[in-house]
Formats: sequence, structure tokens, C-alpha cells
Amino acid sequence: DAKTTQPTSMDCAEGRAANLPCNHSTISGNEYVYWYRQIHSQGPQYIIHGLKNNETNEMASLIITEDRKSSTLILPHATLRDTAVYYCIVRVESTGNQFYFGTGTSLTVIP
Amino acid sequence: DSGVTQTPKHLITATGQRVTLRCSPRSGDLSVYWYQQSLDQGLQFLIQYYNGEERAKGNILERFSAQQFPDLHSELNLSSLELGDSALYFCASSAGGGSSSEQYFGPGTRLTVT
Repeated sequence: DAKTTQPTSMDCAEGRAANLPCNHSTISGNEYVYWYRQIHSQGPQYIIHGLKNNETNEMASLIITEDRKSSTLILPHATLRDTAVYYCIVRVESTGNQFYFGTGTSLTVIP
Repeated sequence: DSGVTQTPKHLITATGQRVTLRCSPRSGDLSVYWYQQSLDQGLQFLIQYYNGEERAKGNILERFSAQQFPDLHSELNLSSLELGDSALYFCASSAGGGSSSEQYFGPGTRLTVT
């Protein structure tokens, strides 16, 4: 079963905020939402995660809707180095907490 | 740099052979995860170890096996290799094994089976 739905690709102008949406309508109450990104064939890089509340760190902000059925990752000032595939992951606690990566969103930051 | 190391970076071998991929987790992390990334399948979870014990299994073939040693490093053994096993293999580690622990990924091992 698909746990998350993301747009296949997005563009963002350099210096502008990049808003990456994710739908996770079947999420359970104790399942976390994680965001990772992968640049070319490098190892996926952790960005942020949250359960119910909005979260912010030095890389990004995570906005989770009140019903938890969707979320948005915000990169406040996108740079060319933010061009990557972004994965929204719902961590399935009942199956050992491993990550199930979908196809992600390919974000291209345009100069 | 995530703190997770993987060796070798590249591996080229022939069909039918056996290889071993090695992973050293971040200092203090008890959990190790293995993932396979091929062009047509994306990132697929293979197996997880927590403090030396197998914790969860994903889409791991019977020809593949793994273990985590007392010093917490892990090895992924791939045998009877087929062309379709060509892929990037990533190791990740986390402090615990629970759903609130973020995973940190290594740089990967690129396996090419000819």
C-alpha cells in the first residue's frame, strides 16, 4: 500500500521558498512523518521529522495539518545545492520502524 | 558527512559470485539498516539489526544475508549474484530502533554484476 503521495517534480527559483507537499491520508496516530533528500546517487540525507506539531531546524520547516493527513516541507531560501529528490516517509511502527521510500519529488532549483 | 562509513565504494564482479559489503555505524548508534537502490525499484529496505539482533526484514532475497557484530559494524553478504543485483547498497544507522529515531545514511556501495 502506498503510504505517501508526492508530486513527481517541481521547480523553484533560487532564493525563493520551496514548498514540497505530501499526502499521507492513512497515517496512524503514532506514526512519524520524515523528510529525506537524495542528491544524485549520494546517500539519503535526513532533513526533519515530526509527529503532530510543526517543526523547524536549520535546514527546513515541516508543517503538518491538524488531521495529520498531509504535510509540507519548506526550504525557506532555496539554493542550487538544494536540487535533489525529496522523499516524504511515514514510518510504520508496526513493521519495525524501517523506512519505505516512495518515488519522491524531484526538485530543481533554477538560477 | 553522516558518520556512517561503507566499504568498498565500488565493486565489480561476475554472475554467480559472492561479495561482502561492510558498514560501520555512527559512534554510539545501535541500529543498522540495509537498503538497495536500483534504477527500476527505487530505495528498498532489506533488513535491520539492533545491537546484534535481527529486528526487521524487508524485501531481502534468500541469497542475501547480513549480520551485526559485537562492535556494531555490519556486513551484507550477497551470493549467487545475478545481473539484476546490480545496484547501490546503502547502510544507515540510528541511535535506537524506534519510530522517533532518525536514520543516517552512508555513501553507499555501487555493485556492478557483469
